[in-house]
Amino acid sequence: GQQLNQSPQSMFIQEGEDVSMNCTSSSIFNTWLWYKQDPGEGPVLLIALYKAGELTSNGRLTAQFGITRKDSFLNISASIPSDVGIYFCAGRFNNDMRFGAGTRLTVKP
Amino acid sequence: DGGITQSPKYLFRKEGQNVTLSCEQNLNHDAMYWYRQDPGQGLRLIYYSQIVNDFQKGDIAEGYSVSREKKESFPLTVTSAQKNPTAFYLCASSASTGVGNEKLFFGSGTQLSVL
Repeated sequence: GQQLNQSPQSMFIQEGEDVSMNCTSSSIFNTWLWYKQDPGEGPVLLIALYKAGELTSNGRLTAQFGITRKDSFLNISASIPSDVGIYFCAGRFNNDMRFGAGTRLTVKP
Repeated sequence: DGGITQSPKYLFRKEGQNVTLSCEQNLNHDAMYWYRQDPGQGLRLIYYSQIVNDFQKGDIAEGYSVSREKKESFPLTVTSAQKNPTAFYLCASSASTGVGNEKLFFGSGTQLSVL
């Protein structure tokens, strides 16, 4: 099946810094989604992307659907302590959805 | 409030025992899913159901069983055949499995551990 490579695996940043993470695949997807998971909870959808090249924002979060349809990026600006958690990318092609292994974000006050 | 409710939050299984995880949604969604989450890995699909009385195997269905007798409910049974059941189990739903409605809504998960 299609595999997603998500990087970095973990990040330790200072409050106020910007964050970037990405997902890449050897296969194309027609939808990219980004989720955030708090400890012991289910993932919550942050942003959904539907077209190659699409750039979408949700508050301090910005995500892009790569032109090649094989990658996606998530940026968080001016991080705050509540940004702590695991961020997952997900790619969908037709009815097949694949998830990355997640990026664990730690924000130091 | 609409949402997905999973229970119990924590579950312990003895060797050779079957256990059932509950998932209920009041979002009026047609499609429901079960995922398994292991540390450092992406979510892996166990089973999914597009409509009542129908369900399909996902990537790691062996050792698991499901039923979909009601639209609102999609329980997962972890059978004794599943030799490594310790994991965090997530139930999700979506309005349909068709293209254009891929947003999954997740429950808060069940942590299953082996005694």
